[in-house]
Amino acid sequence: DAGITQSPRYKITETGRQVTLMCHQTWSHSYMFWYRQDLGHGLRLIYYSAAADITDKGEVPDGYVVSRSKTENFPLTLESATRSQTSVYFCASSGSGLGYEQYFGPGTRLTVT
Amino acid sequence: AQSVTQPDIHITVSEGASLELRCNYSYGATPYLFWYVQSPGQGLQLLLKYFSGDTLVQGIKGFEAEFKRSQSSFNLRKPSVHWSDAAEYFCAVGGENRDDKIIFGKGTRLHILP
Repeated sequence: DAGITQSPRYKITETGRQVTLMCHQTWSHSYMFWYRQDLGHGLRLIYYSAAADITDKGEVPDGYVVSRSKTENFPLTLESATRSQTSVYFCASSGSGLGYEQYFGPGTRLTVT
Repeated sequence: AQSVTQPDIHITVSEGASLELRCNYSYGATPYLFWYVQSPGQGLQLLLKYFSGDTLVQGIKGFEAEFKRSQSSFNLRKPSVHWSDAAEYFCAVGGENRDDKIIFGKGTRLHILP
């Protein structure tokens, strides 16, 4: 039972480059989420999805793009990476709804130089 | 909109001592409450959850939490901590309203003294 996986686990990229973080879940959960975690800010929601082809903005969506063509995948793309996007990114999923428990992936540590 | 406060940024306890981590929430309807734990370099793991019913909830790793509606609190407890409990703990509140998302507290980092 793989659960929820993220790749890569670590990524270093340069300012201005496009980078995509992958998230895959094996539970067929309807809801998926992307968060970033930064010291002093806690967890902040970037985007979420209620089902395939349905996505919506969270608290900090600027500079990010998501898609969800399949239920199990929810990639996050930084179209032109900036240093302020250096962070740890977590993907999560929920089988029950927006206000219900979420299950988290192991995270991707992204450094933008 | 809901909110959640964890008043303690850091807590230090001795191994074998009891633990209580505080969490206060604000939510206009019936809250769904959660505690998560995050070890260094890992994702968040769900410890326990409360939706309704018995206000004392048992979770994994020997943790429990008590929902007190009158105090808007959902404190996490453990009778005897182990060195492996050193981690960051997050309280979160969601709810029954269709458009309400989970809101996470800023976390409490637990340090264990040998």
